[in-house]
Amino acid sequence: EIVLTQSPGTLSLSPGERATLSCRASQSVSSSYLAWYQQKPGQAPRLLICGASSRATGIPDRFSGSGSGTDFTLTISRLEPEDFAVYYCQHFGNSLFTFGPGTKVDIK
Amino acid sequence: QVQLQESGPGLVKPSETLSLTCTVSGGSISGFYWSWIRQPPGKGLEWIGYIYYSGSTNYNPSLKSRVIISVDTSKNQFSLRLNSVTAADTAVYYCAREAGSKYYFDYWGQGDLVTVSS
Repeated sequence: EIVLTQSPGTLSLSPGERATLSCRASQSVSSSYLAWYQQKPGQAPRLLICGASSRATGIPDRFSGSGSGTDFTLTISRLEPEDFAVYYCQHFGNSLFTFGPGTKVDIK
Repeated sequence: QVQLQESGPGLVKPSETLSLTCTVSGGSISGFYWSWIRQPPGKGLEWIGYIYYSGSTNYNPSLKSRVIISVDTSKNQFSLRLNSVTAADTAVYYCAREAGSKYYFDYWGQGDLVTVSS
């Protein structure tokens, strides 16, 4: 079973700053099967990135994804007030879906 | 626009069975995989299992012995049954659509909090 680890657990930044979130897999995975979600309090997760680097429909271009193998990154180029939330990576492999533990981006 | 809505009892007694239904509107249940995902209060997301519209299923090994997911294409619904629940099963339960063999979830329900308590 592939385990996803996200770091840092919490990222404290100010609006306008750049956020870099990491997702590491316990073994090499296909980037086609790596996605990122944003979740705000009381809401369902929202798909941001699929296939490691493709933005979902309607997602602003300040969000970008990259990576391959075991290391993947979600970057928010300039934080807007609405971007403070929890971010999860997700993988599909061996017919199973797994989520990382999440990174909380909060206001410094 | 596809919409998903969970429904079911918000309170279940320990050792009993949790039952939830997800109703899909704005699109057909046919041709897609449909999942249940849960989130204990203040914690992360846990995938429970999926069902294909034809009825084939796959479950998280950690829950497999207690879970059954079924589908009713005539009603555009799929359902979750989780038996022998304990307080550890208290969570917000989401239903979600897997985006057509693309291995991510593009539509989610709003979530339904189920509390296990006597």
